[in-house]
Amino acid sequence: GAVVSQHPSRVICKSGTSVKIECRSLDFQATTMFWYRQFPKQSLMLMATSNEGSKATYEQGVEKDKFLINHASLTLSTLTVTSAHPEDSSFYICSARRAGGAETQYFGPGTRLLVL
Amino acid sequence: GQNIDQPTEMTATEGAIVQINCTYQTSGFNGLFWYQQHAGEAPTFLSYNVLDGLEEKGRFSSFLSRSKGYSYLLLKELQMKDSASYLCAAMDSNYQLIWGAGTKLIIKP
Repeated sequence: GAVVSQHPSRVICKSGTSVKIECRSLDFQATTMFWYRQFPKQSLMLMATSNEGSKATYEQGVEKDKFLINHASLTLSTLTVTSAHPEDSSFYICSARRAGGAETQYFGPGTRLLVL
Repeated sequence: GQNIDQPTEMTATEGAIVQINCTYQTSGFNGLFWYQQHAGEAPTFLSYNVLDGLEEKGRFSSFLSRSKGYSYLLLKELQMKDSASYLCAAMDSNYQLIWGAGTKLIIKP
């Protein structure tokens, strides 16, 4: 299998606080993990690509100081939304690609963030 | 530029067959993916094509024509649980996925 977990699945926070989302590949090693954001009825929007042990590559328009990504091991990547604002409310989804395997990305179940 | 086109919405009847088309334009090409996404959930992998032709996997099949920049997902013996969005994504030369906006498939009894 290729199971990816995300935690938490749902979070509500106050404006100005920081929220950390974890993404884990449970039964495989992932050299590359991806973080996406999806607004209602819209397609996935890639935020950043993270490779284990190196700095994440952010897509144009995504603030790296606001969305901190750490890919500390081959099975864990974290996304921290710093000083969250209501406009950051969205569905955040991570995906992982196997080390040395095919190019398929396997998605975590997603984290629904609501900033009040 | 890079672009993926797929219909916004399709409707089909339970037990029938439906074909969802996707055309793509990318800088280089390293394969075409189809994902299924139920409302409020993350996408799940359905298929990957990198060579021309048809790949069959149970009730779902995916076809690719690289020369035409075209793919389709074929769903047979439709079930109500197949109601979902179907996302087409092409992988470019940098191994980045370029996503379509998704096709919402509505299944009627």
